[in-house]
Amino acid sequence: DAGVTQSPTHLIKTRGQQVTLRCSPKSGHDTVSWYQQALGQGPQFIFQYYEEEERQRGNFPDRFSGHQFPNYSSELNVNALLLGDSALYLCASSLVTSGGTYEQYFGPGTRLTVT
Amino acid sequence: RKEVEQDPGPFNVPEGATVAFNCTYSNSASQSFFWYRQDCRKEPKLLMSVYSSGNEDGRFTAQLNRASQYISLLIRDSKLSDSATYLCVVIVKTSYDKVIFGPGTSLSVIP
Repeated sequence: DAGVTQSPTHLIKTRGQQVTLRCSPKSGHDTVSWYQQALGQGPQFIFQYYEEEERQRGNFPDRFSGHQFPNYSSELNVNALLLGDSALYLCASSLVTSGGTYEQYFGPGTRLTVT
Repeated sequence: RKEVEQDPGPFNVPEGATVAFNCTYSNSASQSFFWYRQDCRKEPKLLMSVYSSGNEDGRFTAQLNRASQYISLLIRDSKLSDSATYLCVVIVKTSYDKVIFGPGTSLSVIP
């Protein structure tokens, strides 16, 4: 069983460009969350998708948008890239088990560098 | 004030030492608590959940004090392989589960 997968692993873009990052959740997980982790900081929540809709959103501008597909995979899009968008972007898939336990697993991340 | 705060670190300890990490949270609606471990340039991985009664997993012991809104992680007999960043994670129960990460505390275990 593959865990959470993300692509690409690394990406270099220039300011003003747009980027799309992709994530496939762990088998059986229906919820996908995206996080931004700047160097030396903890992951910051961007948004969460469930049943193809954005269910929660963190404190990120509208330049950050996403999508979830019927197979639960997800994309994160960032428009008009800024230097400050350089970070590790983590995707996490989750579910609440029948026993009420919250289970979340992270993908390996996409390291985005904006020059 | 940040929702989840941790010891700023870094912690540099010799092999075999005991080290404790502290974490505080501000939202009294927080319901679930975890410690994650993150190796350099890797994704966070679940280390252990934290239960009100406290729980132990080998050399690792986690404690929760709901009254003080405080979580701790104790590592005994530190190994070189314990070197990593330790992230405190709190889940706040709202309409949906809101997952909040602390900034992390870096640990270096030195030979």
